[in-house]
Amino acid sequence: GNSVTQMEGPVTLSEEAFLTINCTYTATGYPSLFWYVQYPGEGLQLLLKATKADDKGSNKGFEATYRKETTSFHLEKGSVQVSDSAVYFCARYNQGGKLIFGQGTELSVKP
Amino acid sequence: DTAVSQTPKYLVTQMGNDKSIKCEQNLGHDTMYWYKQDSKKFLKIMFSYNNKELIINETVPNRFSPKSPDKAHLNLHINSLELGDSAVYFCASSQEGGRMFFGSGTQLSVL
Repeated sequence: GNSVTQMEGPVTLSEEAFLTINCTYTATGYPSLFWYVQYPGEGLQLLLKATKADDKGSNKGFEATYRKETTSFHLEKGSVQVSDSAVYFCARYNQGGKLIFGQGTELSVKP
Repeated sequence: DTAVSQTPKYLVTQMGNDKSIKCEQNLGHDTMYWYKQDSKKFLKIMFSYNNKELIINETVPNRFSPKSPDKAHLNLHINSLELGDSAVYFCASSQEGGRMFFGSGTQLSVL
């Protein structure tokens, strides 16, 4: 079936640390891949996306590369800030209109 | 000029009551969704409408009934509320695949 698996949280980092949040997907079809972010008390918002293999999505210092050979779309940021504290969701989209989310990874950045 | 707005933001009610959550989008999108987020932040799609027509109906108790009077509105009515219905409910809309815009959520607490 279609699924997305993320690393479990919570992830706690100090400010300016390097961030990686792992995400893998089941290799059914050729999905588009997304990272969404949910700040406390808000709805989800799109962070970045990639629509085909080897595409790199980037936004606000975050990056993720669509890796077909490892069915992965890991999220990275070189230097996190306190304001990056949020829950991050990896997601895949197939034709048919369904966006499937991973279970979410909570990130907490301490000053 | 909020893109996706849902009301109310908080809803506290007794078991057995009937309640509705309203959602409106001013983005001109054809497709609208309802998602349920549990206490562990897991997001599960409930329904999707495209141009007022139901296209996704996940395994959801029939106490939940969506209604789309026009393509800018998708309301969720819940009959006979149960304790397990307590969650945050998100409305969302999209036009192209996977790029979704979310409302800020309705936190439902059933006592």
